[in-house]
Amino acid sequence: EAGVAQSPRYKIIEKRQSVAFWCNPISGHATLYWYQQILGQGPKLLIQFQNNGVVDDSQLPKDRFSAERLKGVDSTLKIQPAKLEDSAVYLCASSPAEVPSSYNEQFFGPGTRLTVL
Amino acid sequence: GESVGLHLPTLSVQEGDNSIINCAYSNSASDYFIWYKQESGKGPQFIIDIRSNMDKRQGQRVTVLLNKTVKHLSLQIAATQPGDSAVYFCAETISGGSYIPTFGRGTSLIVHP
Repeated sequence: EAGVAQSPRYKIIEKRQSVAFWCNPISGHATLYWYQQILGQGPKLLIQFQNNGVVDDSQLPKDRFSAERLKGVDSTLKIQPAKLEDSAVYLCASSPAEVPSSYNEQFFGPGTRLTVL
Repeated sequence: GESVGLHLPTLSVQEGDNSIINCAYSNSASDYFIWYKQESGKGPQFIIDIRSNMDKRQGQRVTVLLNKTVKHLSLQIAATQPGDSAVYFCAETISGGSYIPTFGRGTSLIVHP
């Protein structure tokens, strides 16, 4: 079974530039998550999708971050404009949960390492 | 390669030794706990979980202990191998909700051959 795919793996930009990350979850997984992992810390949830609907985006800095999952499969996360403090690894995860009423294991992708100069 | 282990608490052990990684969680309402392993350049990988109605759970070479009184978790790895070298995170969550794990800070395990 193919895992969660993410691209690019690395991205270096200057502050105030824009950047986009792409995620392809495991086939058939209804739930998709984006996490931000700052160096030395655990991942922090940014947004959770159930199919193509947003379940939780309370931790997403909406003034600069946006995410979409238009067809309920692939997802993109965008930052515009980027700040120095956005330097982190952006992890995408998926789980088969149709309804988040019980724990379903999350499968993480390798992440995109963003460096903002 | 890249590392997410910088500035983390570090545990160094010799191959074949047993390792114990500790974690304090913060929310007394949390009733479901997960240990993840994160190797350099990869996303976290599920290792083992435990519900709050248990105080011990065993897997293959791993054991998780839960002490709800002091809000403490530990992960024991038996006969540690070089392939166990990684950053280990505990995560807590509350059942009945969205089961989004809240990750702790992580511990870097270094296994010397």
